[in-house]
Amino acid sequence: GNSVTQMEGPVTLSEEAFLTINCTYTATGYPSLFWYVQYPGEGLQLLLKATKADDKGSNKGFEATYRKETTSFHLEKGSVQVSDSAVYFCALRGRGSTLGRLYFGRGTQLTVWP
Amino acid sequence: NAGVTQTPKFQVLKTGQSMTLQCAQDMNHNSMYWYRQDPGMGLRLIYYSASEGTTDKGEVPNGYNVSRLNKREFSLRLESAAPSQTSVYFCASRAPAGGRELTDTQYFGPGTRLTVL
Repeated sequence: GNSVTQMEGPVTLSEEAFLTINCTYTATGYPSLFWYVQYPGEGLQLLLKATKADDKGSNKGFEATYRKETTSFHLEKGSVQVSDSAVYFCALRGRGSTLGRLYFGRGTQLTVWP
Repeated sequence: NAGVTQTPKFQVLKTGQSMTLQCAQDMNHNSMYWYRQDPGMGLRLIYYSASEGTTDKGEVPNGYNVSRLNKREFSLRLESAAPSQTSVYFCASRAPAGGRELTDTQYFGPGTRLTVL
């Protein structure tokens, strides 16, 4: 079956620190992979995505590379800002899923201090 | 273009009461979804609808019913609320296959925070 495992939070960093949030997955075939972000009091927003092995998704300074050999899609940012404080969700969509169903990890709370 | 809207934003119910959560999207999307979000659990799919007139169960459908009233609207009903249904509920929609939008992207509403006493 399909599942996503994310590193447990919360993660607390100082501004300009390097961020890594680990994500690994289990899926049949080759899924599409996503990172969604949820700011306080809001719904989820797509942050970045990758649809095939070795693809790198990037947006707003965040990056994640689809690693088939390690079934991973870790989120990284070189220098975080206070405004990056949010909950980050890793998700997958199974290949061939015409209904577009997403499977989410549990989420990682990130807090960035000035 | 409001995207995905949900009402109400907050609701408190007593055990056994019923209510309907409303969701609407103005992006002409075919697929719509209802999720619940609980601390430490991520988002879990309750029901989804591939198109007007069709609905299917997700991971946690028990205690809920849905109606896809038309292409725009997808409502979630709790017939007899229980404390275990205290959660934040999110509605989402997805672009139709073959369109110019990214078909893998789901667009989420702002959520409804429900407390059942």
